[in-house]
Amino acid sequence: DAKTTQPTSMDCAEGRAANLPCNHSTISGNEYVYWYRQIHSQGPQYIIHGLKNNETNEMASLIITEDRKSSTLILPHATLRDTAVYYCIVWAGGGNKLTFGTGTQLKVEL
Amino acid sequence: NAGVTQTPKFQVLKTGQSMTLQCAQDMNHEYMSWYRQDPGMGLRLIHYSVGAGITDQGEVPNGYNVSRSTTEDFPLRLLSAAPSQTSVYFCASRGTSTGELFFGEGSRLTVL
Repeated sequence: DAKTTQPTSMDCAEGRAANLPCNHSTISGNEYVYWYRQIHSQGPQYIIHGLKNNETNEMASLIITEDRKSSTLILPHATLRDTAVYYCIVWAGGGNKLTFGTGTQLKVEL
Repeated sequence: NAGVTQTPKFQVLKTGQSMTLQCAQDMNHEYMSWYRQDPGMGLRLIHYSVGAGITDQGEVPNGYNVSRSTTEDFPLRLLSAAPSQTSVYFCASRGTSTGELFFGEGSRLTVL
């Protein structure tokens, strides 16, 4: 499985955009980029995923570079409730195992 | 639609005891998996299954057994609990259309 690299922690002011980077330089052509978040000790929650094109949903936007070696998750207007650990994962689907790294602890402050 | 249900939510064991963590999903998902999460750490994959009768090891399988006799259930067995197995355990199932993982609420296990 391809590995990802994320900063350990980031801070963001409430109301501002939170941009969370992820490096996945060894990603394979059939692997998707997934983002999850974990609030406190709850089970992780799916946010968004993409293959090549940028994606947007009601929670966030995902920007994937043209060479697919990195991506950025954007929370357009961060709130205190967005404080969580964010995990970037690359995964080919099917019967492949899905492993998590250590993620980025995002702290949204007033 | 209950999603992924884990039981028990909390459990305290003594070293050497055995127990089973239960996981059930009602979404007809083929893929199910177990993760453990230690304090301040990310999730580590223990075992996973791509369908009834099929299981495989993840990153940290030692000390745990699994079986998958039905699509709905994926129990995790600790045969002889050790303090190093004190952790929060999450079960997850995956939808085939988007690949999104659905997680249970977690089972908090303490081994004394």
